[in-house]
Amino acid sequence: EPEVTQTPSHQVTQMGQEVILRCVPISNHLYFYWYRQILGQKVEFLVSFYNNEISEKSEIFDDQFSVERPDGSNFTLKIRSTKLEDSAMYFCASTEEGFSTEAFFGQGTRLTVV
Amino acid sequence: GQQLNQSPQSMFIQEGEDVSMNCTSSSIFNTWLWYKQDPGEGPVLLIALYKAGELTSNGRLTAQFGITRKDSFLNISASIPSDVGIYFCAGLIQGAQKLVFGQGTRLTINP
Repeated sequence: EPEVTQTPSHQVTQMGQEVILRCVPISNHLYFYWYRQILGQKVEFLVSFYNNEISEKSEIFDDQFSVERPDGSNFTLKIRSTKLEDSAMYFCASTEEGFSTEAFFGQGTRLTVV
Repeated sequence: GQQLNQSPQSMFIQEGEDVSMNCTSSSIFNTWLWYKQDPGEGPVLLIALYKAGELTSNGRLTAQFGITRKDSFLNISASIPSDVGIYFCAGLIQGAQKLVFGQGTRLTINP
C-alpha cells in the first residue's frame, strides 16, 4: 500500500542550527502538507502546498520556516534557525485530488532542539 | 481560529465494551476525518466523511457526519486491546486548505 515516508525519524539539533526535514509523498498525490504535534498536544497545521507554491500557512509558519519541492518526489521543510519551542513531531501529509480529500500522514520526524 | 472540541479526553473501558466519542464545533465543515495515533507514530486514517448525515462503517468502527455539519461521532464496538491509542477527529472547513484537529481521545482498555 502506498505510504508517505519521512526522514529522519529523529533529529537532534542545537538551538540556532538549521534543519531540513524530508518527505516523500504518495506518488500520484498533488497536494502536500506539513503539520506538527508538540508532545501530548493536538496536531497543528503548518502549511499546504500545491503546484509548486504555498497555498495556505498558519501563524506558526513564520519567516524561519520554508518548504520546497526540489524534485518530482521530495517535499522538504526547512527551519532556518531552530528554537527550543520548535521541538515537536513534524508530520508530512499528502492528498490526491484536493484539500478536501483523505489526507495520509507519514510516520513523523521527532525534532529535539537542545 | 477554528476550534474542534473533542470529548471525552480519555476513556478507560473493559475489553469488549463499546466506545463512543464525538467532536463539535461552531464552524461548518464539509469533510470530517477520524484518525488513530499510536505512540511515536503518525495519524492513521480510519474513516472519511463527506456529506451531512453520512454514516460510514469500517469493520467495528462507525462514524457519522452530523446533519448540521458542525459535529461528528465515532463509535467502536466490542473493543479489543489493539484499539488502545489516541483518536483524533479532523475537519476541513469549506474553502480552507488545512485540517483542523480535535484535542484527541485517549482510549485505554483493561483486559
